[in-house]
Amino acid sequence: EAGVTQFPSHSVIEKGQTVTLRCDPISGHDNLYWYRRVMGKEIKFLLHFVKESKQDESGMPNNRFLAERTGGTYSTLKVQPAELEDSGVYFCASSRISRGRYEVYEQFFGPGTRLTVL
Amino acid sequence: KNEVEQSPQNLTAQEGEFITINCSYSVGISALHWLQQHPGGGIVSLFMLSSGKKKHGRLIATINIQEKHSSLHITASHPRDSAVYICAVTSGGGADGLTFGKGTHLIIQP
Repeated sequence: EAGVTQFPSHSVIEKGQTVTLRCDPISGHDNLYWYRRVMGKEIKFLLHFVKESKQDESGMPNNRFLAERTGGTYSTLKVQPAELEDSGVYFCASSRISRGRYEVYEQFFGPGTRLTVL
Repeated sequence: KNEVEQSPQNLTAQEGEFITINCSYSVGISALHWLQQHPGGGIVSLFMLSSGKKKHGRLIATINIQEKHSSLHITASHPRDSAVYICAVTSGGGADGLTFGKGTHLIIQP
């Protein structure tokens, strides 16, 4: 079974440019999450998809960030226009669908995309 | 909003030592996750637990729901255990996003 993959592994862009990150979850995983770690801080939740629907986007920093998951398969996270403070490592994770509060499944993480905004 | 605190932030020990990393959280949870990230590597899930204790090889994870506290133990530590260990919790529904601690940087010296 292939793991979660992310593309690109690294991206260096200038302030004001646009970058699109891609995540391919494990096949059959309906839950897809985006997280971000900014230098020196803990990893923080950005948003959660269940299939193609946004279940929770409370962690999205602002409207420069747009996430999509068309067809409920892979997801993209676009940053437009990028700012210096957007630099960090963006992780994607996926898990099986759960049917309630106490049915929790392990989240499998991708290798991350390191974004540097100059 | 759940607050997750880990201690220590940094830990250097000699090979063979017994290691303990602690995690506390502020609000009731569905599950607690221990994750590992080696330098330059990806994040790997070690344990997911909601009660009691789990063991995998030299790693043991315990959780006390009443005290909102979990520990990760490593017995007979080895240099290959050097990594960042991260505690994370699922606070609400079973599929909610994780809330993370800052991580513990562990170095095991030969």
